[in-house]
Amino acid sequence: EAGVVQSPRYKIIEKKQPVAFWCNPISGHNTLYWYLQNLGQGPELLIRYENEEAVDDSQLPKDRFSAERLKGVDSTLKIQPAELGDSAVYLCASSPSQGLTDTQYFGPGTRLTVL
Amino acid sequence: AQRVTQPEKLLSVFKGAPVELKCNYSYSGSPELFWYVQYSRQRLQLLLRHISRESIKGFTADLNKGETSFHLKKPFAQEEDSAMYYCALKDRTGANNLFFGTGTRLTVIP
Repeated sequence: EAGVVQSPRYKIIEKKQPVAFWCNPISGHNTLYWYLQNLGQGPELLIRYENEEAVDDSQLPKDRFSAERLKGVDSTLKIQPAELGDSAVYLCASSPSQGLTDTQYFGPGTRLTVL
Repeated sequence: AQRVTQPEKLLSVFKGAPVELKCNYSYSGSPELFWYVQYSRQRLQLLLRHISRESIKGFTADLNKGETSFHLKKPFAQEEDSAMYYCALKDRTGANNLFFGTGTRLTVIP
């Protein structure tokens, strides 16, 4: 099994440009998470989906960030416009459900550099 | 509010020596604690969770509610244990979200 797939793996853009990240979760996983990981920090949740519904987006900076999970499978996270401080690794994870014992499986991440 | 503290950014031990990675947490309810590991060039993966009470790759971690700690231990470190280790807490009410510490980079010296 491929696990959680993310693309691109690396992205370099200039500030004020838009950028999008794509995630395909493990087949059958209903819950999908987007995390932000700054250098030297642990992952921080941005948004969580249950199927196609965003059930927790309280940490998503909605002025420039948006996300969607059409059809409840793969998901896209977008930043428009990007700022220098957005340089980080963006991780996607999935789990079978949001149950207490469900393990989250992480993708390899997308490393964003904003110049 | 939830908080996970890993006081050591870097930890180096010699092969065969015991290792302990510290994790303290702050949470008003009854948390679920995890250790995640990221080996070089690999993705973040679950190492163990406190409710399982199992030993994975020789590592164990005991939840100490009195000291609000969940330290990760291994009696004899191996070179392949060199990695980044993250302690994480799951909110068991409402959102069930994971909160991560800042991580400890373990280096096992041959």
